[in-house]
Amino acid sequence: DAGVTQSPTHLIKTRGQHVTLRCSPISGHKSVSWYQQVLGQGPQFIFQYYEKEERGRGNFPDRFSARQFPNYSSELNVNALLLGDSALYLCASSFLALGNEQFFGPGTRLTVL
Amino acid sequence: EDQVTQSPEALRLQEGESSSLNCSYTVSGLRGLFWYRQDPGKGPEFLFTLYSAGEEKEKERLKATLTKKESFLHITAPKPEDSATYLCAVQAGGTDSWGKLQFGAGTQVVVTP
Repeated sequence: DAGVTQSPTHLIKTRGQHVTLRCSPISGHKSVSWYQQVLGQGPQFIFQYYEKEERGRGNFPDRFSARQFPNYSSELNVNALLLGDSALYLCASSFLALGNEQFFGPGTRLTVL
Repeated sequence: EDQVTQSPEALRLQEGESSSLNCSYTVSGLRGLFWYRQDPGKGPEFLFTLYSAGEEKEKERLKATLTKKESFLHITAPKPEDSATYLCAVQAGGTDSWGKLQFGAGTQVVVTP
């Protein structure tokens, strides 16, 4: 069975640019969550989508946005990139929105120069 | 505010030398506590879910336990392939948290032959 997939694997952008990251959940999973992980820290919650609706939002600026498509895949968009946005962006999927384990993809490594 | 603290930050073990990792948490109603393993540059790999105090889960050389304030991950007779960062995360009750996982900073474990 395919796990969570993310694209691209690596990305290099310059300050002020925009980026779109993509995620495909495990087949049958309806919930997708996005996390940001900087070196030496645990992942920080950005968004959760369940059944195509935003269900949770972490403490991130409005430059971060996301959406979920009818096939449950998801996109994370970041506008006006800052150097501090450099991180590993992780997507996680789960069958339900609450109370069950989330399975993570390999991540997208974003470097902002 | 929900908080997760992991200790120690780093642990160096000889092969076969058993040890325990600690995860202490404060959360408004625990919906679940999750343990993950993360290799460098990769996404977290799910290990265990614990739901209530007194619960224990076991998998190969790993055993996770839960009390009302903390969780332990016991590593018995570790092997070099157990070297990784171990992350603890909690999911709080209440609809405003939804599926958000609050992570600790992790414990980096190195097992030498």
